[in-house]
Amino acid sequence: AQSVTQPDIHITVSEGASLELRCNYSYGATPYLFWYVQSPGQGLQLLLKYFSGDTLVQGIKGFEAEFKRSQSSFNLRKPSVHWSDAAEYFCAVAPSGGYNKLIFGAGTRLAVHP
Amino acid sequence: EAQVTQNPRYLITVTGKKLTVTCSQNMNHEYMSWYRQDPGLGLRQIYYSMNVEVTDKGDVPEGYKVSRKEKRNFPLILESPSPNQTSLYFCASTMGGGGTEAFFGQGTRLTVV
Repeated sequence: AQSVTQPDIHITVSEGASLELRCNYSYGATPYLFWYVQSPGQGLQLLLKYFSGDTLVQGIKGFEAEFKRSQSSFNLRKPSVHWSDAAEYFCAVAPSGGYNKLIFGAGTRLAVHP
Repeated sequence: EAQVTQNPRYLITVTGKKLTVTCSQNMNHEYMSWYRQDPGLGLRQIYYSMNVEVTDKGDVPEGYKVSRKEKRNFPLILESPSPNQTSLYFCASTMGGGGTEAFFGQGTRLTVV
């Protein structure tokens, strides 16, 4: 069965520090991969997505993610975190060839210390 | 502005009292879905629709109904809510195809007492 694992439930970083959020997926083929962010009381906003091609993708708000097929991973990174990045982050996959649903990880809650 | 609108944002109800959460999108998207979000579980799909009058179950459909009579609307119906349906609900829409972006509503926080 398809699944997404986000190993870190909570992460705390200092403002200005670098960030990496981990995501591993289980799927037979290469799925479409997404990272969403959910700020408190808000819906989900797409940060970036990977379909094919260059395995390093750039997103909004200075985020990037790297797809590594050999590790079945799609980790999210940011070189310097801002206090406004405090939120919950979700990795998701969609089976290739058509969309009927997204499969989400459990989420990683990011806290940023000043 | 492209958006998915859910109503209400907050709802407290009693066990067994039928309720409907509305969802509307203005992007002419074909695909619409309902998800519930629970701590430690992420978002799980309840139902989805590929077009008008075409709906199918997601991963956690028990206790829910949906309908798609118009392309823009996809209401979620709880005919006899129970406390285990207390959750945060999101409606989403997408044009279609596995790689297109899903747009999410602001969420509906439902409490069933």
